[in-house]
Amino acid sequence: GEDVEQSLFLSVREGDSSVINCTYTDSSSTYLYWYKQEPGAGLQLLTYIFSNMDMKQDQRLTVLLNKKDKHLSLRIADTQTGDSAIYFCAEMADTDKLIFGTGTRLQVFP
Amino acid sequence: GAVVSQHPSWVICKSGTSVKIECRSLDFQATTMFWYRQFPKQSLMLMATSNEGSKATYEQGVEKDKFLINHASLTLSTLTVTSAHPEDSSFYICSARDLRDKYEQYFGPGTRLTVT
Repeated sequence: GEDVEQSLFLSVREGDSSVINCTYTDSSSTYLYWYKQEPGAGLQLLTYIFSNMDMKQDQRLTVLLNKKDKHLSLRIADTQTGDSAIYFCAEMADTDKLIFGTGTRLQVFP
Repeated sequence: GAVVSQHPSWVICKSGTSVKIECRSLDFQATTMFWYRQFPKQSLMLMATSNEGSKATYEQGVEKDKFLINHASLTLSTLTVTSAHPEDSSFYICSARDLRDKYEQYFGPGTRLTVT
């Protein structure tokens, strides 16, 4: 079945880059997503990448996709304290449902 | 654009009572809405997929008689937790898919349910 894994926690200093990693198992994934969740709130879509791409950049965010290794990463440049949140990757398989990763808690310290 | 609202944002109810949560797409039409459940410090688990005008499709292990879903219009889906128990306490989040774009889901702000 589908399985999406992330490391649980990442701590970075303000101004540094953050890299959040995600691995998935379903090779039929069409789109892969990154969502941000702040405490007590819903999910905010940050960016997504189609499975035939290997990179997408959007301002401070860079998504890298290694389809062979089924590995997805999100790089946040110049990380700010406002970036502290939980980040979820998700894949959309051929069932059109989103399968979420376990979530990575990013903590940014001054 | 693409705003999804949920009501209420939080609710406390007694064991044995029923609670209804609404999910609305405010500025777009959604043929499909999804209901998720999230426990503290955990990921989102899909409970069911709700299609306008038809019966919801429930994920394995989700009791359809306990979690009643109705999607009566293109902008509204409701989740009713019947005969609630303390173990139903959780954060419930809905999402809606725009009729014109099947690859993007827009999420509501969530509803925190506490059953005492």
